[in-house]
Amino acid sequence: DGGITQSPKYLFRKEGQNVTLSCEQNLNHDAMYWYRQDPGQGLRLIYYSQIVNDFQKGDIAEGYSVSREKKESFPLTVTSAQKNPTAFYLCASSIKRRNRGELGDTEAFFGQGTRLTVV
Amino acid sequence: EDKVVQSPLSLVVHEGDTVTLNCSYEVTNFRSLLWYKQEKKAPTFLFMLTSSGIEKKSGRLSSILDKKELFSILNITATQTGDSAVYLCAVRSSGDTGNQFYFGTGTSLTVIP
Repeated sequence: DGGITQSPKYLFRKEGQNVTLSCEQNLNHDAMYWYRQDPGQGLRLIYYSQIVNDFQKGDIAEGYSVSREKKESFPLTVTSAQKNPTAFYLCASSIKRRNRGELGDTEAFFGQGTRLTVV
Repeated sequence: EDKVVQSPLSLVVHEGDTVTLNCSYEVTNFRSLLWYKQEKKAPTFLFMLTSSGIEKKSGRLSSILDKKELFSILNITATQTGDSAVYLCAVRSSGDTGNQFYFGTGTSLTVIP
């Protein structure tokens, strides 16, 4: 079945450690996104990528890094520079608009999320 | 600064009540507005709206967009306990670096029997 898979579901990190969250999609979507969700703050964009080997910072990119070596995969690394990493992380993908006026936008499809806790 | 604002932040109603959730936005290069329902984990898609004044409807849920006034509402009639969730509003923006989705903080709806 087509969809987005995030792993692991739960992740515990010691202070000072880097951790990598996995996000894989088999929807053939060009665009992929990483969001962070904290209670009462909705979804905030960390990084996004519209095409392989290219990505842009979102609103809260500090302390995070990403790569997009394959269309299907967009892993997120939470580095030790992220001072408050405990949160729920959501990965999403969508079809990229190719030119103005073209129909075919899709909604953002989400994975099931990874809950990261610093211990 | 692009932003999406939802109100109210939380709402508690009794089964059978009708609720209206609000979403206003200030986003450059607007392309579409989306509503999602989030119960525990992944948000699930409800509606995508691109044109003003055209109501989208699915069962007891409906939504409409006003691009002149920059807002949207989500209506739920005859609410059920299964409607309890966080409802997220998002605006899709298109620019030189591609498409982004801007999310509001969500409205937490609790339906009590």
